[in-house]
Amino acid sequence: GDSVTQMEGPVTLSEEAFLTINCTYTATGYPSLFWYVQYPGEGLQLLLKATKADDKGSNKGFEATYRKETTSFHLEKGSVQVSDSAVYFCALSPRGSQGNLIFGKGTKLSVKP
Amino acid sequence: NAGVTQTPKFQVLKTGQSMTLQCAQDMNHEYMSWYRQDPGMGLRLIHYSVGAGITDQGEVPNGYNVSRSTTEDFPLRLLSAAPSQTSVYFCASSADRGNTGELFFGEGSRLTVL
Repeated sequence: GDSVTQMEGPVTLSEEAFLTINCTYTATGYPSLFWYVQYPGEGLQLLLKATKADDKGSNKGFEATYRKETTSFHLEKGSVQVSDSAVYFCALSPRGSQGNLIFGKGTKLSVKP
Repeated sequence: NAGVTQTPKFQVLKTGQSMTLQCAQDMNHEYMSWYRQDPGMGLRLIHYSVGAGITDQGEVPNGYNVSRSTTEDFPLRLLSAAPSQTSVYFCASSADRGNTGELFFGEGSRLTVL
């Protein structure tokens, strides 16, 4: 079945460092891909998405490109801030799905000043 | 500007007790769903609904019941709680019934079953 694999955490970075969180997926057809972020004590919120191959999603300085040839959707940010400390989830929604998401296990990011 | 509201935020149950987690949204979204979040497991879909009167099972439905009598409300019922149901539960809704839309999540309900 469809699945999402993302890099294990936790990830600890210094402020202004470059961030990459790897995400690969297995799916039939052409799923939509998402990154959600969960700040401490809160629910998840959408960070960015891409709905077709070669699309780039971006928001708040974060970017991810839908790469069908490598089945990947890696999250990147050029300069992280302490306020970016959170858990990041990669997710896919299969083609034909009615909105259901399949999530990766999450990657906890801690940014130190 | 409430969005998705879940109650209660915290609950402790004894094995065998029943309870209902409430979820309400004020965005007139047709799609609603329940997920559970466990350490090292990400989020897993329990049940979902694409409109009033329509529900379906997700990945981990056993031990849970749902109903959808109105567009706004989507309660999750545990009929006989078990320790394996200790988890954080999230309700989510979406305006999009396809696979491209954003899910809006509630703040979660933390359930402990002793």
